[in-house]
Amino acid sequence: DSGVTQTPKHLITATGQRVTLRCSPRSGDLSVYWYQQSLDQGLQFLIQYYNGEERAKGNILERFSAQQFPDLHSELNLSSLELGDSALYFCASSVDPGDYGYTFGSGTRLTVV
Amino acid sequence: SQQGEEDPQALSIQEGENATMNCSYKTSINNLQWYRQNSGRGLVHLILIRSNEREKHSGRLRVTLDTSKKSSSLLITASRAADTASYFCATAETLNDMRFGAGTRLTVKP
Repeated sequence: DSGVTQTPKHLITATGQRVTLRCSPRSGDLSVYWYQQSLDQGLQFLIQYYNGEERAKGNILERFSAQQFPDLHSELNLSSLELGDSALYFCASSVDPGDYGYTFGSGTRLTVV
Repeated sequence: SQQGEEDPQALSIQEGENATMNCSYKTSINNLQWYRQNSGRGLVHLILIRSNEREKHSGRLRVTLDTSKKSSSLLITASRAADTASYFCATAETLNDMRFGAGTRLTVKP
């Protein structure tokens, strides 16, 4: 157990639907990062939050949004889902990435049918 | 977009042999990190090397960094079947958006 908790572990939904993925960072970590991993695109950085504020944005689609709440948990919202959104979505947290790197959760496997 | 690129894409060796994976990147970096991922699982941080360091060791892992060539290598000595996994290098100009390469898939045959 890495200390980063992601729910749900698996999600199957239909095209056009909206889903919410949840992440609880490791205790004491203020930063949360979201990544998407697919076979053709590899591991893509989506977005980072630090203590409730957006800090960096990567290849995140406009159909996707995220937020970090006062208790530091984060949610990634995916809407108008397409088949190509099927992927593993990882959350990671860190206390100081310059010294300790990231701690990843076990991921949410999203299947869009 | 990916920052680091690992080479080779796949590597198959016998247990007990050494495994070497390489990573090249394009921009200046603050540090470079290596991660391991077992199939379908989350990534596990292995080792971090700062831009002013040239070599670092952790157990059976040895990482080198050549900033003039924008490259790094990860050496796993005396490999074990349990080392079978994908290995990724990750770099960041800042510390807010770590970018990962496509990974090297290592298979260690017992």
